[in-house]
Amino acid sequence: QSALTQPPSASGSPGQSVTISCTGTSSDVGGYNYVSWYQQHPGKAPKLMIYDVSKRPSGIPDRFSGSKSGNTASLTVSGLQAEDEADYYCSSYAGSNPVVFGGGTKLTVL
Amino acid sequence: QVQLQESGPGLVKPSETLSLTCTVSGYSINSGYYWGWIRQPPGKGLEWIGNIYHSGSTYYNPSLQSRVTISVDTSKNQFSLKLSSVTAADTAVFYCARGYASGGYPFDYWGQGTLVTVSS
Repeated sequence: QSALTQPPSASGSPGQSVTISCTGTSSDVGGYNYVSWYQQHPGKAPKLMIYDVSKRPSGIPDRFSGSKSGNTASLTVSGLQAEDEADYYCSSYAGSNPVVFGGGTKLTVL
Repeated sequence: QVQLQESGPGLVKPSETLSLTCTVSGYSINSGYYWGWIRQPPGKGLEWIGNIYHSGSTYYNPSLQSRVTISVDTSKNQFSLKLSSVTAADTAVFYCARGYASGGYPFDYWGQGTLVTVSS
């Protein structure tokens, strides 16, 4: 059982926006502004999309945005494109266990 | 360009020790960042194993801490993972990655991953 809870699946049509949630507790997501999001295509290594809740690494399009409210963090993908279809994982700092991941969400572009 | 490459046996027997090495190119481990190992069982999610800093300071997942050792060889620009007393549940793709010096160590560069199967 993963430390952070994500919906197993999400979907949207090209051009639409979709939001993926990541729910934790006050000991991880809610306690620190250290949430990251990763994109993983089949057979590939994960790719960092968002860190520190809402920061984008160089080269990540601004269609990807992150936010947090209480114990739940969110990743929003705007202007969905076919290439956005992938698995998405959240992670958070959690004090004594510095890195905890969510179970992953499969994003389907309809 | 920063590149990481995992290497090691793809098959390990139960109760034995899994050993992997990550070779870093395009960036000196001595220059900073944290260097970590993450694994992913087939068809499942990601699990952080642990990190090491160039100074040798280590940080481990509490659930694996009793079986894990991560070390660094700055002269070879490599870091390594040892996981002892493996079982079939340790079968996974193992990734090495570079982590920011921030809470949760956001990992910005990853190796391609190597599948390690635990079986007799």
